[in-house]
Amino acid sequence: KAGVTQTPRYLIKTRGQQVTLSCSPISGHRSVSWYQQTPGQGLQFLFEYFSETQRNKGNFPGRFSGRQFSNSRSEMNVSTLELGDSALYLCASSPLTAGTQETQYFGPGTRLLVL
Amino acid sequence: GNSVTQMEGPVTLSEEAFLTINCTYTATGYPSLFWYVQYPGEGLQLLLKATKADDKGSNKGFEATYRKETTSFHLEKGSVQVSDSAVYFCALTHTGNQFYFGTGTSLTVIP
Repeated sequence: KAGVTQTPRYLIKTRGQQVTLSCSPISGHRSVSWYQQTPGQGLQFLFEYFSETQRNKGNFPGRFSGRQFSNSRSEMNVSTLELGDSALYLCASSPLTAGTQETQYFGPGTRLLVL
Repeated sequence: GNSVTQMEGPVTLSEEAFLTINCTYTATGYPSLFWYVQYPGEGLQLLLKATKADDKGSNKGFEATYRKETTSFHLEKGSVQVSDSAVYFCALTHTGNQFYFGTGTSLTVIP
């Protein structure tokens, strides 16, 4: 099976712009989670989607949003970019065939640089 | 709430040395516990996991045992190689499929 794919892999934006990142989960996986990774804060949970519904949300401002499509692909959007949004954004998928507590499988990430 | 506390790094070891990275957790009930590894420029890869008390996860020579009495899940390897140089993350998941990660421990193995 192909792994989790994320596009684009690298992105440079300027302050005030908005950005959309895309994630394709492993085939058959229904849950997609997003994380922000920075040297100072480590891995921080953004949100999780399952069957097109946001089930969990981390402690991020409303500028960070996401959605999931019927084929389980997911996008996250960051509006009005700030310098502090520069980070590696990781997407992870899990099958959720047995309820919760399932392994998450990560993509390679999208590295966003805000200038 | 749920949280993971992981040994601060960086850790530098000589090849063939013994590795221990400490991880303790706080959670109600019975979480599942994981170790992930991140190589430079890549995403996280699952290294091993354990889903109940006294379970031992193992992979590629790495081991960790789920100790409920000490709320710990320490990662060990008997003989590290240069190729093990990476950042290691301890994590737990409980209800709702939300993962909680430690801050990561950077390991460098020198020949």
